[in-house]
Amino acid sequence: DAGITQSPRHKVTETGTPVTLRCHQTENHRYMYWYRQDPGHGLRLIHYSYGVKDTDKGEVSDGYSVSRSKTEDFLLTLESATSSQTSVYFCAISENREYNEQFFGPGTRLTVL
Amino acid sequence: GQNIDQPTEMTATEGAIVQINCTYQTSGFNGLFWYQQHAGEAPTFLSYNVLDGLEEKGRFSSFLSRSKGYSYLLLKELQMKDSASYLCAAMDSNYQLIWGAGTKLIIKP
Repeated sequence: DAGITQSPRHKVTETGTPVTLRCHQTENHRYMYWYRQDPGHGLRLIHYSYGVKDTDKGEVSDGYSVSRSKTEDFLLTLESATSSQTSVYFCAISENREYNEQFFGPGTRLTVL
Repeated sequence: GQNIDQPTEMTATEGAIVQINCTYQTSGFNGLFWYQQHAGEAPTFLSYNVLDGLEEKGRFSSFLSRSKGYSYLLLKELQMKDSASYLCAAMDSNYQLIWGAGTKLIIKP
């Protein structure tokens, strides 16, 4: 199994508070992704990274920011959490762009009250 | 726009065969992935097709028709552990994965 961990695995927070989710990989893969998964929707890309300090927006990036200061770590920040950001968040990694087989972390269940 | 369609839910019997269909519309196309996701767990890779035809891998096979924008996942000799959601994802011209909402497969004894 690809070495990907996410922390925390569960979090309950209140509207308006900042939240940071962490993804850590031991595979030295170049590409890292943050998705959210909600009932009735496919996985939706929030942001992705194609190298240290290189990031780009995905389909649902509003209200989220990311940072990647090291190959192994990719952080997702909700600047001011809202109830609509209650979701399961998955981090994924892939080795290259052209054959984009992605390996997923275990997920973080975030509840915003 | 980009879109992936797959049935929401299917039911099949243990030991039988089931086919899960997926149609896609993307801006460009660089391949089609199938993932399995058990409840409460992360998706895991099952198959990848970029050329037309059938790819077989044990009890699972995946088919692609690029001209029709169509793929299916075929599961044979169903086992109770195959109860899961099956996610179809098409890779667009920017090598981004566009995901379907998933098909929940229920296996009955």
